[in-house]
Parts: sequence; C-alpha cells; structure tokens
Amino acid sequence: EPEVTQTPSHQVTQMGQEVILRCVPISNHLYFYWYRQILGQKVEFLVSFYNNEISEKSEIFDDQFSVERPDGSNFTLKIRSTKLEDSAMYFCASSGGTGRGEQYFGPGTRLTVT
Amino acid sequence: AQSVTQLGSHVSVSEGALVLLRCNYSSSVPPYLFWYVQYPNQGLQLLLKYTTGATLVKGINGFEAEFKKSETSFHLTKPSAHMSDAAEYFCAVRNGGGATNKLIFGTGTLLAVQP
Repeated sequence: EPEVTQTPSHQVTQMGQEVILRCVPISNHLYFYWYRQILGQKVEFLVSFYNNEISEKSEIFDDQFSVERPDGSNFTLKIRSTKLEDSAMYFCASSGGTGRGEQYFGPGTRLTVT
Repeated sequence: AQSVTQLGSHVSVSEGALVLLRCNYSSSVPPYLFWYVQYPNQGLQLLLKYTTGATLVKGINGFEAEFKKSETSFHLTKPSAHMSDAAEYFCAVRNGGGATNKLIFGTGTLLAVQP
C-alpha cells in the first residue's frame, strides 16, 4: 500500500540553525501539506502546495519557513533560523485527485531545538 | 472560521465496553468531518469521514460516527472496545465548499483500554 514517508524521524538542532525536513508523498498525488504538533497541543496546519506553488499558508508560516518540491518525488520544509518554539512534530501529508479527498499523513519528524 | 472541540482529553474504558469520543464543530459553511487515529510513533490514519449524504458513516476497525447538524456534533463510537484501540483520536473539520483543503484539528482524545 502506498504511503507517505518522512526523514529524519528525529532531528535535534541548535537555535539559529537551518533545518530541512523531507517528505516523499504518494507518487500520483499532486497536493501536499505540512502540519505541526507542539507537544500537548493540537495538530496545526502550516501550508499547502500545488502546482509548484503555495496555495495556502497559516499565520505560523512566516518568512522563516519555506517549502519546495526540488524533484519529482520529494517535498521539503525548510526552517531558516530555528527557534526554541519550533520544537514540534512535523507531519507531511498528500492528497490526490482534485485535492478534495483524503489526506494521507506521514509518520512525522520530531524536531527538537536546543 | 471553523473550529473543533473534543470533550475529554483522556477517556478510559474496559475491554468490551462501548467507546464514545465526543466531537463538536463550528463552521459557517457545510463541513467535511473526519476522525483520525494516531498510534504511538506513527502518523495520522483516517478512521472515517463525512462529506455529504448518509449521516451515519462507518469506518475501519468497527468505528462509526454520526453527523448531527442540529447538535453540530460528530461523535465517534465503537460498540465493543479492544485493547488494540488504545491510541489518540483526533476529530477534524474542513471547508466543504472547496475554498480550502486545510484540516482543522481538535486537541485529541487519548483512549485507554483496560483489560
């Protein structure tokens, strides 16, 4: 069964460093998403991406964040200069068809900023 | 704006007992509603969804949920809990009108199943 994969599973970084979180969406999907979950809090939408551009972003997704589809399979989230409050579980998701269908989630990357 | 409220951050049931996890939503447009389950160290897996049509929807692992517009609720039930149901459950809402695909999640309910 096709699935969304994410690497690494856990990333530890120092405040101010850049991190790139990687996702491989399901191969025939065209809509991609990043969500995050700060420990003990709800899962929050960050950004959606379609046709090589951001289709929607939340207020959390400020200039420190960027997304990219560098090739035909990967979808990345970059945080330029990490802050302590960026520590969270980051989930990638993808959906097919018109994007109105089910979003399939990856297992997440736990980012710890020290 | 849309929002989701899940009553009870922790629910404990005995094996074989009824599972009832509560979800209420707020939406100014017709909602699409979802229940996701998250097992330890895993991603979110879709249990079931309501988009249009029949208000009682059945999902995987014996779970079902009923969309009640008058009560703005989408509670998740399972007649008989199994040990393997222990996980965190998230209710989510999405704009059914097509303006956005983003999911808005509740804070989650951690289900414990006692032997």
